[in-house]
Amino acid sequence: SQELEQSPQSLIVQEGKNLTINCTSSKTLYGLYWYKQKYGEGLIFLMMLQKGGEEKSHEKITAKLDEKKQQSSLHITASQPSHAGIYLCGAGGNFGNEKLTFGTGTRLTIIP
Amino acid sequence: DTAVSQTPKYLVTQMGNDKSIKCEQNLGHDTMYWYKQDSKKFLKIMFSYNNKELIINETVPNRFSPKSPDKAHLNLHINSLELGDSAVYFCASSQTSGEQFFGPGTRLTVL
Repeated sequence: SQELEQSPQSLIVQEGKNLTINCTSSKTLYGLYWYKQKYGEGLIFLMMLQKGGEEKSHEKITAKLDEKKQQSSLHITASQPSHAGIYLCGAGGNFGNEKLTFGTGTRLTIIP
Repeated sequence: DTAVSQTPKYLVTQMGNDKSIKCEQNLGHDTMYWYKQDSKKFLKIMFSYNNKELIINETVPNRFSPKSPDKAHLNLHINSLELGDSAVYFCASSQTSGEQFFGPGTRLTVL
């Protein structure tokens, strides 16, 4: 079965600083999803990556999938308090209706 | 308008009781899921239904029984609740391709 390891497990960053969260898979990634979860709320979809070397950006968040499709990174530029939460990477199949196997999660705290 | 909704949001009950959690999606998706998030925030798939048919059934005790009356609904019934069932349960839905949309979660506490 596929396993996803995220690092770091928790991250405390001063507002305005950049940060990176990593997600490493034990197997090739066919669909890599990034989600954000705020305390007491559901998961909010951020981005999906499928191709080796693919990079996507939305506002100040950039996600990349390496060429070998076994590692992904999520980079936040000029962090803001609204970025605080738990970030989860999820591995899916080639099709959207397959189960997602989630990583261990990274808890991000932003200090003013 | 809420895309994926769950009821109740909080559920506190005694060991041995039977309870149900309801999920509805208004996105027109044909696949729905149940995930369980434990106290360490680890999120794991339990079930998946496609067009009212069970397509994924992970290693989940028989006490858990999903029911899909139609494409827009996937309910989760739990018999003989145990302490270890305490968790946050998330419902999600997706189209054949694309991301999964998650509900707000149901926090189940078994006393």
